[in-house]
Amino acid sequence: EAAVTQSPRNKVTVTGGNVTLSCRQTNSHNYMYWYRQDTGHGLRLIHYSYGAGNLQIGDVPDGYKATRTTQEDFFLLLELASPSQTSLYFCASRDNSGNTLYFGEGSRLIVV
Amino acid sequence: KTQVEQSPQSLVVRQGENCVLQCNYSVTPDNHLRWFKQDTGKGLVSLTVLVHENDKTSNGRYSATLDKDAKHSTLHITATLLDDTATYICVVGDRGSALGRLHFGAGTQLIVIP
Repeated sequence: EAAVTQSPRNKVTVTGGNVTLSCRQTNSHNYMYWYRQDTGHGLRLIHYSYGAGNLQIGDVPDGYKATRTTQEDFFLLLELASPSQTSLYFCASRDNSGNTLYFGEGSRLIVV
Repeated sequence: KTQVEQSPQSLVVRQGENCVLQCNYSVTPDNHLRWFKQDTGKGLVSLTVLVHENDKTSNGRYSATLDKDAKHSTLHITATLLDDTATYICVVGDRGSALGRLHFGAGTQLIVIP
């Protein structure tokens, strides 16, 4: 069964803290994405990747790093978290044709 | 600049009624268009994908159309149920990007009341 699994699902950290959000897909997809979702905005692209070792910068990359260690695993890193990064984060994977696109259940991050 | 605009922003209907959601976009060149359903605090679930000019799709009570010339899509929900309460998001794929950029609308919040 196709799946995108995110962890943790919920996280609270302090300003300046270090956070890693994990995403694993079992769809054999090459493309993986990290988005953030905030009230009043559509999903905004942070970073994305088309394969292990590849990283592309999205539309709102400031304050975020990412790493694609394998085809399955894509990590989002916040090394100095700020309250403006309080958000709902989604990971997604997509096949080469674009015909299949799956989202994870989301990771809610609160930075206090 | 927002490249995908959805309307209405929110909508309240009574259970059993039909409703229509609109999506206008300016993404160029456009590839495919998808409609997603998002329950509060949950992930996005794909309802349908439209690829070709004048595509029409149907998925149970959900049906959608795409007019690529007008860069416009509609999502029809017939005989709404309480469980249809959710945010519906229009997403347009960018054919010009080799890495498959996706452009998201802000969503239409649908509330179905008894």
